[in-house]
Amino acid sequence: KQEVTQIPAALSVPEGENLVLNCSFTDSAIYNLQWFRQDPGKGLTSLLLIQSSQREQTSGRLNASLDKSSGRSTLYIAASQPGDSATYLCAVNYNQGGKLIFGQGTELSVKP
Amino acid sequence: GAGVSQSPSNKVTEKGKDVELRCDPISGHTALYWYRQRLGQGLEFLIYFQGNSAPDKSGLPSDRFSAERTGESVSTLTIQRTQQEDSAVYLCASSLEVSGRYNEQFFGPGTRLTVL
Repeated sequence: KQEVTQIPAALSVPEGENLVLNCSFTDSAIYNLQWFRQDPGKGLTSLLLIQSSQREQTSGRLNASLDKSSGRSTLYIAASQPGDSATYLCAVNYNQGGKLIFGQGTELSVKP
Repeated sequence: GAGVSQSPSNKVTEKGKDVELRCDPISGHTALYWYRQRLGQGLEFLIYFQGNSAPDKSGLPSDRFSAERTGESVSTLTIQRTQQEDSAVYLCASSLEVSGRYNEQFFGPGTRLTVL
C-alpha cells in the first residue's frame, strides 16, 4: 500500500530558528513530490514541486530535498517567522492519473 | 491570473438532501481533481478529469458521489442523499498536463460541507 507519513505531527519553535520537516513514503517509484502549506480554514498553497529526477528545489527560505532510494523528503525552513505558522503537507504523485497521496501534515507554530 | 475558485464556500444541509459543489479551474489547465478532507484526517483523492479521457473515479467513496466536467472548464461534484459522514471540506485542484507529464497542482479554497 502506498502511504505517506509526516513527522512530527506538530512542532513549536521560537522565531529565527531553522527547522526541518520530514516526509517518508513507502513506495519509492514516485513521479514527483509536492509540498504545500495550509492555513486554518483555507485551501492549500503550493510551495515546491520536486520531480523524481531532481534532488532538491529551493524557493526563498524554503529548500526541499528528495531521496527516492530511502523514501524520504525533507522541507527545510530557514530563519523561521511567525508568518510561517501553518500546517505543512507532503504529497506524492505515483503517476497514477496524477492523483496525489497526502501525508497527515505537520502543524508548525513559530513563536515571536 | 485568477486561481482555482470554488462555490459555495460553505454549505449546510440536512441529511438525505442532495448537494452540488462547483469548481472553476485555472484557465487553460487540462486536468482537474477533487479531494476531500474530513476533520482530523488527511486529504483523500476522489476523482480526476483529464481532457477528453474517461475520468478516474477510483476515489469516489460510494455511488452517491458523482462528478461532471464540461470540456476543460467547470466541474460539479454531486452528493446524493447526504449522510453525516459526508461532512468535510471538499477541495478542487487543477494542473497543466502535457503529454502525460503531471505537473504542479493548484488548489481552490474549498467548500466546507456540513450535514446535519
